Amino acid sequence: AQRVTQPEKLLSVFKGAPVELKCNYSYSGSPELFWYVQYSRQRLQLLLRHISRESIKGFTADLNKGETSFHLKKPFAQEEDSAMYYCALRGTLMDSSYKLIFGSGTRLLVRP
Amino acid sequence: NAGVTQTPKFQVLKTGQSMTLQCAQDMNHEYMSWYRQDPGMGLRLIHYSVGAGITDQGEVPNGYNVSRSTTEDFPLRLLSAAPSQTSVYFCASRPLTTSAKGYSYEQYFGPGTRLTVT
Repeated sequence: AQRVTQPEKLLSVFKGAPVELKCNYSYSGSPELFWYVQYSRQRLQLLLRHISRESIKGFTADLNKGETSFHLKKPFAQEEDSAMYYCALRGTLMDSSYKLIFGSGTRLLVRP
Repeated sequence: NAGVTQTPKFQVLKTGQSMTLQCAQDMNHEYMSWYRQDPGMGLRLIHYSVGAGITDQGEVPNGYNVSRSTTEDFPLRLLSAAPSQTSVYFCASRPLTTSAKGYSYEQYFGPGTRLTVT
């Protein structure tokens, strides 16, 4: 079964501090991992995906298959990063390859 | 393109009433899905569809029905509303095809419907 765990409901940091939003997953095959973000009064939107290996808005995430983790990191948080962040997994095995399963989300609050 | 649209934006129901949440997309996406968003529980998949005439259950399907008569529309029906169905509902769509390396494309979300059942 697919499962995504985000252990922190709320992460509060000061502007300029480093940020790490944790995500762990459970899946028997090789998954696709994503980070989605929901800013206040906006739609949920894709932030980044593990296959792209790129930095979006200063955020990066590395897939660690050994630790089954996909943590989201940013070296210097900005106030505009305040939002709800969701980690998501899509399975690649035939019986689960369509569904995109989300974690419970972490609210990031960046204080001035 | 309007993308993914949902109606209504807000709805209040009494226990036992039925209603349909509408979802439409104009991107010709084969895959469509419904999620509910609850505090502390994140987004949970209710039902999904991989094309017209094909639907399947997600993580929390009880109390909800779906149908997919066209590629564009994917309505969600609450047969007999219960207070436990108070939530924000999101519809989403994406292409079903994958890239040459087998990776999926971005999933697009609607603006959500806030439902309260009293």
